[in-house]
Amino acid sequence: SQTIHQWPATLVQPVGSPLSLECTVEGTSNPNLYWYRQAAGRGLQLLFYSVGIGQISSEVPQNLSASRPQDRQFILSSKKLLLSDSGFYLCASCTGYNTEAFFGQGTRLTVV
Amino acid sequence: AQKITQTQPGMFVQEKEAVTLDCTYDTSDQSYGLFWYKQPSSGEMIFLIYQGSYDEQNATEGRYSLNFQKARKSANLVISASQLGDSAMYFCAMSPTGNQFYFGTGTSLTVIP
Repeated sequence: SQTIHQWPATLVQPVGSPLSLECTVEGTSNPNLYWYRQAAGRGLQLLFYSVGIGQISSEVPQNLSASRPQDRQFILSSKKLLLSDSGFYLCASCTGYNTEAFFGQGTRLTVV
Repeated sequence: AQKITQTQPGMFVQEKEAVTLDCTYDTSDQSYGLFWYKQPSSGEMIFLIYQGSYDEQNATEGRYSLNFQKARKSANLVISASQLGDSAMYFCAMSPTGNQFYFGTGTSLTVIP
């Protein structure tokens, strides 16, 4: 099975500061990769997904961007954080529509 | 557009009883996967069960079963013999052939001793 490494676990950042969250995958190659955001007590909002190196699809226009510089590396970034960017960010990996997605442990981001 | 609907924000069940969590979906794809995940208060996402759109039999995994009604586009999760450790958020998810992976808004399940 796959292992998803996601860090940091918690992050407190001031408004206007940059953001970089990294996710790496072990145990598979050429996975589909996903970034989700979860507001407190809410569902998972799909932010970005990638089917290959350099291929990024955005589901929701916003203050964030994503990049996939290597096959098993997925990065979520922002140049200037907003208060509304606070939430629980989850990275996930999947190898097809008929297989489950594996998740990292998540990053709790608080923008102050 | 793909959409997952979970209409029960919160559910309560007595310990050792069965509970059904509802999920309906909307897709125009013929091939897709349906999934249920559990999220305890720690935040980790735990995969529970999978149902393929072409599977004729309902999926089962231990105490979990998925009641799949394709014509009605529903994929309800049934948890039998509820345990206190089942208290968590439960998410229904769908992966159509377009590589996306969508989640519903979740149901908070509380098991009462």
